[in-house]
Amino acid sequence: QQQVKQSPQSLIVQKGGISIINCAYENTAFDYFPWYQQFPGKGPALLIAIRPDVSEKKEGRFTISFNKSAKQFSLHIMDSQPGDSATYFCAARLNTGTASKLTFGTGTRLQVTL
Amino acid sequence: EAGVTQSPTHLIKTRGQQATLRCSPISGHTSVYWYQQALGLGLQFLLWYDEGEERNRGNFPPRFSGRQFPNYSSELNVNALELEDSALYLCASSPAWPPLHFGNGTRLTVT
Repeated sequence: QQQVKQSPQSLIVQKGGISIINCAYENTAFDYFPWYQQFPGKGPALLIAIRPDVSEKKEGRFTISFNKSAKQFSLHIMDSQPGDSATYFCAARLNTGTASKLTFGTGTRLQVTL
Repeated sequence: EAGVTQSPTHLIKTRGQQATLRCSPISGHTSVYWYQQALGLGLQFLLWYDEGEERNRGNFPPRFSGRQFPNYSSELNVNALELEDSALYLCASSPAWPPLHFGNGTRLTVT
């Protein structure tokens, strides 16, 4: 129930293309779904996040699509650039009132080619 | 604003030894989280400290422990090191939930 399943494990996209990373979860008590971007040698950095009462959130070239009934959410990177090459993690928060933690997916390594 | 700082950046230990990892949160942040990032396993939640107290613990054995100091900095201790403890250990801080701000981690290698 605590798992967040992420796919694909790796992704190669041409410059200018759309990168799509998918995540699925089981626990309906998750209440916050962020995406993190991690470059080699760096810690993950928050990219964009969504709450389950919203179906879509867009920030620049990055969009989260959220399907509550299917318990799935995805990250779309429009006009992908070589600088977007990084590992992307989806996550989900469980807040019980006395405890709160993020559960992360296993990551997607994105490579954007010229 | 200085980010989350972790030290050391790299640490090499022998199996059976103890490792101590340190974290300084962003100024004003009272919560500190520790995560283990092992190859291919994503980020696994280890510990959460807030206001000096341990608030939550992940599914790790008791030889993983830590503490938070009055200045909100934190220390992660790993006793009786095993080869599979080799990983990147990430610290994150938060003023109030969300979001988490991560440091660049400590790469622990156990030989």
